Amino acid sequence: ILNVEQSPQSLHVQEGDSTNFTCSFPSSNFYALHWYRWETAKSPEALFVMTLNGDEKKKGRISATLNTKEGYSYLYIKGSQPEDSATYLCASRPSGTYKYIFGTGTRLKVLA
Amino acid sequence: EPEVTQTPSHQVTQMGQEVILRCVPISNHLYFYWYRQILGQKVEFLVSFYNNEISEKSEIFDDQFSVERPDGSNFTLKIRSTKLEDSAMYFCASSERGTPGYTQYFGPGTRLTVL
Repeated sequence: ILNVEQSPQSLHVQEGDSTNFTCSFPSSNFYALHWYRWETAKSPEALFVMTLNGDEKKKGRISATLNTKEGYSYLYIKGSQPEDSATYLCASRPSGTYKYIFGTGTRLKVLA
Repeated sequence: EPEVTQTPSHQVTQMGQEVILRCVPISNHLYFYWYRQILGQKVEFLVSFYNNEISEKSEIFDDQFSVERPDGSNFTLKIRSTKLEDSAMYFCASSERGTPGYTQYFGPGTRLTVL
């Protein structure tokens, strides 16, 4: 049974703090990992698509790393701002399938 | 910027009724998906669709569900006889290609409430 886990479930940080979350996924049959940022009442917004072991991607203050051998990805936010408040979702796609398996998300609240 | 749109934003229906949820994917995208999220649970994959065929479906996607691309722009999800447990947020997504390096773009969702 494939399962994707995210931690922590929720997080409150002060404005200016840096933070990171974890996405764990089955390392066997790995094909791709997606990170999304999801604000309430909006569409999930794609942040990163990661496929290669050791991948590091960056978009402004947000970056992500990927370790396919041990089955985890980290998402980092540097200098958190109130507008970073959202749920951050990861989704893993096993090889040989079009199916994406989502984690439960990490709910981030950045306090001004 | 192109976006995926979905209608309606909220649908209320009686148990046993048929519903059709509509999506307009991004125009040059070739792969289409439906997901759902029951309140408090994970987002779950329902089905993927390419070249007018289902390419993969989950165990949730039983005979009550069907998908169609009726006119080259819309992508629909039909639930033939809704059950209470079908109440969820349904998301449509599309991607340019099916290979893993391509981003999936999500619509804003349709909240389905079955009474």
